[in-house]
Order: sequence, then structure tokens, then C-alpha cells
Amino acid sequence: DAGVIQSPRHEVTEMGQEVTLRCKPISGHNSLFWYRQTMMRGLELLIYFNNNVPIDDSGMPEDRFSAKMPNASFSTLKIQPSEPRDSAVYFCASQGQAGAQYFGPGTRLLVL
Amino acid sequence: DAKTTQPPSMDCAEGRAANLPCNHSTISGNEYVYWYRQIHSQGPQYIIHGLKNNETNEMASLIITEDRKSSTLILPHATLRDTAVYYCIAHAQGGSEKLVFGKGTKLTVNP
Repeated sequence: DAGVIQSPRHEVTEMGQEVTLRCKPISGHNSLFWYRQTMMRGLELLIYFNNNVPIDDSGMPEDRFSAKMPNASFSTLKIQPSEPRDSAVYFCASQGQAGAQYFGPGTRLLVL
Repeated sequence: DAKTTQPPSMDCAEGRAANLPCNHSTISGNEYVYWYRQIHSQGPQYIIHGLKNNETNEMASLIITEDRKSSTLILPHATLRDTAVYYCIAHAQGGSEKLVFGKGTKLTVNP
């Protein structure tokens, strides 16, 4: 199994631009999570899906952030418009029945 | 989820066992103890979890005290590649899937 796949691995953009991060979870896993990590705030859960349905989006910072999971093998996290304070590493993770979460390599986002 | 407490940092000599403690004195009966680690610039990695029995896998052993108020993650023969931040999380299966990562323990394995 290739594990959780994220793209792009690095993204540099200018303030105001739209950013789309992508995630392919492990096949057969029914829960998917989006996290953000910064030095100041550590690892924070933004949103998670169960069977493609958003369950808890209380961690989404504001309306500029949106996430979708159109099918069991794909999810996106979109930031529109992006701001410098959105600069962080964004991780996607998937979870199967056993309860352990498996993380992707992350997307390093820099908003100038 | 119950709060967990870990030392901020630990050192270990290469080849020796690394014993990482975690306190979770308010853990509920249905909460498991999960351990993850994050090597620099990588995503967090699941290591092991347990409810009340000791557990062992190819990566580590997990020792949970009989009263379940604390646990120890053991890396039997630490290598330089085990240098990472280790997170202990108390989490109930079947409810909210949300994990809360604290600050963890920064383990440095020295040559």
C-alpha cells in the first residue's frame, strides 16, 4: 500500500490566491482528517470526514477554508483567498476500523 | 479525551532502551492509550495502542499500569532514526474520532 498520498508537497503562493490541497487516503479506510501544524500552535485538527460525510469542522479557522470529500478515495482542502498567516504544514490522515490514524507526508504551504 | 502529561524532553544512548513515560490519571474506562511519533519534517506516525494489557509490535512495547493512570512506551534498542517527538494520547474508540495532540516528548538518541 502506498499510504496516504498528498499533493502538492510544497506550495508557494501570493496572498489572495486560491490554494487547493489534495489527499488520497489509504484504500478501505473510512475516516479522513485534515490537520494543520505550525510552530506556535502545534498540530491542530481542522476537519474530519466519516464515510465521505463531514463530521466535525469546528477546527476550520474561518470561511476562507473549505473541505470536500466527493468519494472515498479523494479529498480537497481549499483556501480562498489565502493569507500569510495560513502558512503551515497541512497533513491529511486516514483511519480504518482499528482506530489508528495514518498520516501523509504533508503539504508545506507558504503564502507571501 | 483525558489529559496526558509527558516530560518535554529525554535523551537516550544509541542501542539502549528508551523508556518514555506518560501520565493519564483521569483516563476513562473506554479510553485507549495511543502513541504516535513525528520525525522532523515528516507526518506523525502511529506506533502502538492499548487498553489495559501490555502490547508489543515490531516498533515498540507499551506497558500500562494496573490502575491505568500511567503508561510507558519502550523502544528496546534505540537508533539515531528514533530521534523524534513522541505523543501519548488517551482516546475512546467509537465516539468522536478527534485526536488531540499535546506537546509530546522530544526524544534525542545520541551516538
